[in-house]
Amino acid sequence: DIQMTQSPSSLSASEGDRVTITCRASQSISTYLKWYQQKPGKAPKVLIYDASSLQSGVPSRFRGSGSGTDFTLTISSLQPEDFATYYCQQSYTTPPTFGQGTNLEIK
Amino acid sequence: QVLLQESGPGLVRPSETLSLTCTVSGGSIFSSISYYWAWIRQPPGKGLEWIGSLYYSGSTDYKSSLKSRLTISVDTSKTHLSLKLKSVTAADTAVYYCARLSAGPDSSASTADSWGQGTLVTVSS
Repeated sequence: DIQMTQSPSSLSASEGDRVTITCRASQSISTYLKWYQQKPGKAPKVLIYDASSLQSGVPSRFRGSGSGTDFTLTISSLQPEDFATYYCQQSYTTPPTFGQGTNLEIK
Repeated sequence: QVLLQESGPGLVRPSETLSLTCTVSGGSIFSSISYYWAWIRQPPGKGLEWIGSLYYSGSTDYKSSLKSRLTISVDTSKTHLSLKLKSVTAADTAVYYCARLSAGPDSSASTADSWGQGTLVTVSS
């Protein structure tokens, strides 16, 4: 199975900050990479697919980039509703696998 | 707009069978070749784990470590996705989600664009 490793595992930031979360795959996955946001007690919500395509309805402050093994999710100006846990997921091979998550907290 | 809702017992005894149902409204499970369906679980305080999928063809894929215990199927109404996990242990305690994923060979596929709200299943005597 392809292993997905996110860094950092947790991150403290303030409203208005720019933050970047990194996801690394254990082998090349081209751009078969998605990003999800999960809030406590809720199901995940897709933000980015195809490594850099913004899901319909997702604010443009979310940006995904990367290909191969290294990917990033950048939030350009943090809003209060962005404090959540973020997961990357690869779909290059079955089984689809997720990163361990990055918990974005308010500083 | 498709809506998914999981249901089933919140408590299962060790060694017994965990049975969950995902009710799909706003469309049937086989209404479009553009999607397939999956169960994803999340142990308390931990990350997401795909456990199995059911495709438009009716075929299934299971996480290898669960393959001997897991069955995913759909009922005759084509609106209920079922999960059965046999011989459960405490390690199977998790929130179980059903999800709809986009199908296809390209890199935009296998995006989980619709999720149920999740149901917590605790394995305990």
